[in-house]
Amino acid sequence: SQQGEEDPQALSIQEGENATMNCSYKTSINNLQWYRQNSGRGLVHLILIRSNEREKHSGRLRVTLDTSKKSSSLLITASRAADTASYFCATDFKAAGNKLTFGGGTRVLVKP
Amino acid sequence: DGGITQSPKYLFRKEGQNVTLSCEQNLNHDAMYWYRQDPGQGLRLIYYSQIVNDFQKGDIAEGYSVSREKKESFPLTVTSAQKNPTAFYLCASSSGGASGELFFGEGSRLTVL
Repeated sequence: SQQGEEDPQALSIQEGENATMNCSYKTSINNLQWYRQNSGRGLVHLILIRSNEREKHSGRLRVTLDTSKKSSSLLITASRAADTASYFCATDFKAAGNKLTFGGGTRVLVKP
Repeated sequence: DGGITQSPKYLFRKEGQNVTLSCEQNLNHDAMYWYRQDPGQGLRLIYYSQIVNDFQKGDIAEGYSVSREKKESFPLTVTSAQKNPTAFYLCASSSGGASGELFFGEGSRLTVL
């Protein structure tokens, strides 16, 4: 499968701690995106990082991309209870046409 | 406000019945997508459309059908041929296809009784 794989599947942390989750994939990409999903809701876009970029920041979010290792990480700093959600990476594979392929997600629980 | 509207939010269906899920967007996006999500899982692509009157099968198109007669609308029909249709269905749109951000609706939860 070309699907991105997130690791870990679930993460439980205390408020104020950092949360890191990883995404690995198998074939060349044009870009990689991260999305957030609150329970029972639609997905919300967080960050898009292109294959020629190595790091991007947005507020408390930091995304890195290592194309040599075919992996990306999402770091949430100083987590809050409101960050409790599932986080998904989505990849635009070069050979796949104009569509995004989503991974299985990381479920993050931030305890107050 | 601009966005994507999915309806209905909840739907119950008897086995053997077809059901159509609505997806409407007023973002003037060319590309639209349908994904299926099972409990605790990621999203799997059912169908996508890059332009009006054109659409392509995704990874799990069997038992589903779509149409794209208008730019704003991309309805999904879950047919009786879909063996396990109980799931959460998400519609999305994008101005740049997979090279850009996807905007998602709030989803439709289908339960087959």
